[in-house]
Amino acid sequence: AIQLTQSPSSLAAPLGDRVTITCRASQGISSGLAWYRQRPGKAPELLIYDVSNLDTGVSSRFSGSGSGTDFTLTISGLQPEDSATYYCQQFDRFPPLTFGGGTKVEIK
Amino acid sequence: DVQLVQSGAEVKRPGASVKLSCRVSGYTFRDYYLHWVQEAPGKGLEWVGLVDPEDGETMYGEKFQGRVTITADTSTDTAYMEMTSLTSEDTAIYYCAVLYLSWGQGTLVSVSS
Repeated sequence: AIQLTQSPSSLAAPLGDRVTITCRASQGISSGLAWYRQRPGKAPELLIYDVSNLDTGVSSRFSGSGSGTDFTLTISGLQPEDSATYYCQQFDRFPPLTFGGGTKVEIK
Repeated sequence: DVQLVQSGAEVKRPGASVKLSCRVSGYTFRDYYLHWVQEAPGKGLEWVGLVDPEDGETMYGEKFQGRVTITADTSTDTAYMEMTSLTSEDTAIYYCAVLYLSWGQGTLVSVSS
């Protein structure tokens, strides 16, 4: 199974800041890599699919990039609604479909 | 508008079974895999398994293999997840999801004596 390791596990940044979350895969992934935001008490929301494609209606402040085993989610201009836990997910090679351990983002 | 509507919260005793439902609308049920994902307290997301509504084929995560059964009823556009031999470790929110389309609102399963 492909393991996904996210870093950092948590971060705190001021409003307006730019933050980057990393997702490292134990094996190479071609394109089946997605990013989700999960606010407390809510279901995960898709932000990015296929590594770098912004889902419909998602703010352009979010961007995804990467290839092979290293992928990143960047949030530009941090806003209060960005306070959440972020997960990467792969389904390039499944079963099993796997998630990263999550990154909790807090606003300073 | 794609919607996945899940059944309500459940409280179960250890050793019992639970069956959750997920009714979909806004897309053709047969066209996409329907996944189930577990979110245990203080932990991340873990894939439980999926069903292909087209032919009923299923796949399961290793942790859940043998104890979970996922089915799909194309006459009602509803997927089900049944989990047996419940323990406190199964206390979690369970989500149904169609990848890249939508997630359900989640169903809380509490297992306690």
